[in-house]
Amino acid sequence: GENVEQHPSTLSVQEGDSAVIKCTYSDSASNYFPWYKQELGKGPQLIIDIRSNVGEKKDQRIAVTLNKTAKHFSLHITETQPEDSAVYFCAPMGGYQKVTFGTGTKLQVIP
Amino acid sequence: DSGVTQTPKHLITATGQRVTLRCSPRSGDLSVYWYQQSLDQGLQFLIQYYNGEERAKGNILERFSAQQFPDLHSELNLSSLELGDSALYFCASSGGDGTYEQYFGPGTRLTVT
Repeated sequence: GENVEQHPSTLSVQEGDSAVIKCTYSDSASNYFPWYKQELGKGPQLIIDIRSNVGEKKDQRIAVTLNKTAKHFSLHITETQPEDSAVYFCAPMGGYQKVTFGTGTKLQVIP
Repeated sequence: DSGVTQTPKHLITATGQRVTLRCSPRSGDLSVYWYQQSLDQGLQFLIQYYNGEERAKGNILERFSAQQFPDLHSELNLSSLELGDSALYFCASSGGDGTYEQYFGPGTRLTVT
C-alpha cells in the first residue's frame, strides 16, 4: 500500500511567520494531492489541493507545491494567524481512490 | 457546515455489543468514505462506496461492515465491540468518478466500556 510520511509532526511559529509542512508518498500512481485542516473536536476540512499536472497552486495565504519526480508535496502558510492553529493532514490519492492519510502535523501559532 | 451529516454524535456501549453509525452525504455526492480516528492518531481509511457499490477497501476489520443504500446514505456496522474500537468515526462524501475532493461530517464518538 501507499506509504505516506509527513514532517514535521509538530510545528510552533510566531504569529506572522511562515509555516511549511512536507508530505512524502510512495505510490507513483497518486494523482491527487490534498491538504486537510482539523480543528479540535471537528472533522477534517479540505483547505487546498493540487492535481498531478500542476506544480503549484495558491489560495490567499495558503499554497501547495508538488514535486512528482521526488514524490513529495508541501503546504505553505504565510502570515500565520492564531486561527491557523490546528492539525494538518496530507492525503495523496491514487487511481483506485484508496486513501492514505499522513500522520498529521500539529501547528501552533503563538500570538 | 460541510453538508455531510452523521448520527449519532456520541455512542457509549459495552464490549461485545453491536452498533450502527449513519452517514448522509452532501446533496448530489455519490461517494462515501468511512474513517476511524483513535485518540491522538491519524485517520485510518476503512472503506469507500460509490453509488451503492463498494469501491475501495482499507484497514477494515472483519467485525466491521458497511453499505450504501439507494438513497445514497451509508451505514457502518461494528460488531463484537472491543475496548480498542473506541474512537471517532468520520464519514466523508465526494462527487464521484474523477472528483476526489472529500467533505467530512462532524463524526461519531464511540466509547466502548
